[in-house]
Amino acid sequence: GAVVSQHPSRVICKSGTSVKIECRSLDFQATTMFWYRQFPKQSLMLMATSNEGSKATYEQGVEKDKFLINHASLTLSTLTVTSAHPEDSSFYICSARDAGELFFGEGSRLTVL
Amino acid sequence: DAKTTQPPSMDCAEGRAANLPCNHSTISGNEYVYWYRQIHSQGPQYIIHGLKNNETNEMASLIITEDRKSSTLILPHATLRDTAVYYCIAERRSSGSARQLTFGSGTQLTVLP
Repeated sequence: GAVVSQHPSRVICKSGTSVKIECRSLDFQATTMFWYRQFPKQSLMLMATSNEGSKATYEQGVEKDKFLINHASLTLSTLTVTSAHPEDSSFYICSARDAGELFFGEGSRLTVL
Repeated sequence: DAKTTQPPSMDCAEGRAANLPCNHSTISGNEYVYWYRQIHSQGPQYIIHGLKNNETNEMASLIITEDRKSSTLILPHATLRDTAVYYCIAERRSSGSARQLTFGSGTQLTVLP
């Protein structure tokens, strides 16, 4: 199946700094990518839909100024957590569809100290 | 998308078949049943999907009742590596790229040695 790759897989940062997470579709083009967040022992929650060449669509309750999404090419979407705080510590997962099927990245675990 | 209901947890002995149930009593005629699993600290992995007929692939079998109100995912010979959270999702299949998946709470399957 198609491959979606995320980087970094783990990141630790200090409170107040910004962190960028990359999501790449390796063998297909994705005009749309999805960003999920998962807290411990909880299910995945959709944060936003990333659209190539246009603004992302954010789910209710997700701060667009805090979670900046850029989808500048058909194979790359980035999520930047700005001014990170400990409550932003979570597992961030991206996904994209290829031929109708959804494929997920490996996830990026963010720890904010 | 139709709501799905799964037991929160199940145990299975290694080498035995694991049968994971899912209730989707409000599923509509054009909604497929998808199964994904998420091993701890990894992104979700596609397992199998079906509409009406039973399906089998190298990972699992999917049995859908005739009235399509419930289904069972079968892992024929569970191994310790099958320990994961299994998600059952009802979704209209679309060739478009803009449709995200909504995850429920899933079933935590623990395969015991």
